[in-house]
Amino acid sequence: DAKTTQPPSMDCAEGRAANLPCNHSTISGNEYVYWYRQIHSQGPQYIIHGLKNNETNEMASLIITEDRKSSTLILPHATLRDTAVYYCIVRPPINYGQNFVFGPGTRLSVLP
Amino acid sequence: AAGVIQSPRHLIKEKRETATLKCYPIPRHDTVYWYQQGPGQDPQFLISFYEKMQSDKGSIPDRFSAQQFSDYHSELNMSSLELGDSALYFCASSRTSSGTDTQYFGPGTRLTVL
Repeated sequence: DAKTTQPPSMDCAEGRAANLPCNHSTISGNEYVYWYRQIHSQGPQYIIHGLKNNETNEMASLIITEDRKSSTLILPHATLRDTAVYYCIVRPPINYGQNFVFGPGTRLSVLP
Repeated sequence: AAGVIQSPRHLIKEKRETATLKCYPIPRHDTVYWYQQGPGQDPQFLISFYEKMQSDKGSIPDRFSAQQFSDYHSELNMSSLELGDSALYFCASSRTSSGTDTQYFGPGTRLTVL
């Protein structure tokens, strides 16, 4: 799986948009970009994933650059409950039980 | 919506004892994954099963074994426990046969070895 690079930490003011970047310059043509987050000691929570096109769901938006070498996860109106470690993971679409590789991720702190 | 169920949620054992962790996947999910997360670390993959067959193996100690049963639930068996086995253990499931293997995680089992 392609390697990803994320900033170790970020701060965001409550109510503002949080934009979390991820570099994946070695991504292959069939590899998806997944985002998970882990709120302190809870199980990792799936947020969103995409291949080429931008994606949006009730939690977040995923913007993937045209060359697919980087992406940005956008939390449109961050709340204190969005404070968590955010993981960007790249992997093929179907891997029949192959694991996700977590780490190191971005520690997002949403400040009041 | 139904989620992944793990039991027990907390477990305290002595060194050299054995422990069994259980995972009940989301209904109709056919793949189960086990991850270990030590204090201050990221989740590390242990082992996975697709349709009751082992599909991938990570850094799982030989003292650990796991299986997936006919009803798709899975058990992680840990023997000769060591202090370093104290960690959060997460189970995740996915419905690989539907064309996606997005993993959904359970709440975890916190194992403390004394």
